[in-house]
Amino acid sequence: DGGITQSPKYLFRKEGQNVTLSCEQNLNHDAMYWYRQDPGQGLRLIYYSQIVNDFQKGDIAEGYSVSREKKESFPLTVTSAQKNPTAFYLCASSIGARGWQPQHFGDGTRLSIL
Amino acid sequence: KQEVTQIPAALSVPEGENLVLNCSFTDSAIYNLQWFRQDPGKGLTSLLLIQSSQREQTSGRLNASLDKSSGRSTLYIAASQPGDSATYLCAVRGGANNLFFGTGTRLTVIP
Repeated sequence: DGGITQSPKYLFRKEGQNVTLSCEQNLNHDAMYWYRQDPGQGLRLIYYSQIVNDFQKGDIAEGYSVSREKKESFPLTVTSAQKNPTAFYLCASSIGARGWQPQHFGDGTRLSIL
Repeated sequence: KQEVTQIPAALSVPEGENLVLNCSFTDSAIYNLQWFRQDPGKGLTSLLLIQSSQREQTSGRLNASLDKSSGRSTLYIAASQPGDSATYLCAVRGGANNLFFGTGTRLTVIP
């Protein structure tokens, strides 16, 4: 079945450690996105990529990094510079980055601090 | 900057009741508006997407309307069921990268 797979479902980070969240899609979508969800807040855009080897910062990119070496993969690294990383992270993709094209979401990764 | 508001934040209804969820946004220059469902600890499932040129969309017991000029959308759920219990999010698309989300309405349908 086509879809978006995020792994792991739960992730724990120690102080000063970088961790990487995986996002893979087999929908042949060009555009991919990373969002952060905190309790009582709407989703906020971290990074997005419209095409392979290209990505742009979203509203809250500080302390995060991404890569887009393959069309189907868009991993997110939470670096030690992100001082409040505890949140639910959602990956999304769309056929293209045009405004009228809908985004489809994965099941998320919950990151917590040890 | 676009702001999206959803009222109420939480809603409890008895099974079988019809209900309306509200979404308002401050900037009417949008490409589309999308309603999502989120179950606890899960990702988002797209329910309905209304393009800016459309007034409403229907899927089964769900009907979403859009009044772009007034910055409002409603999600109507007919004959609610306990399985409809979830958080419902609306999001407006302002461009290639800008999908602005509301904080959601948590719906509980009581058997």
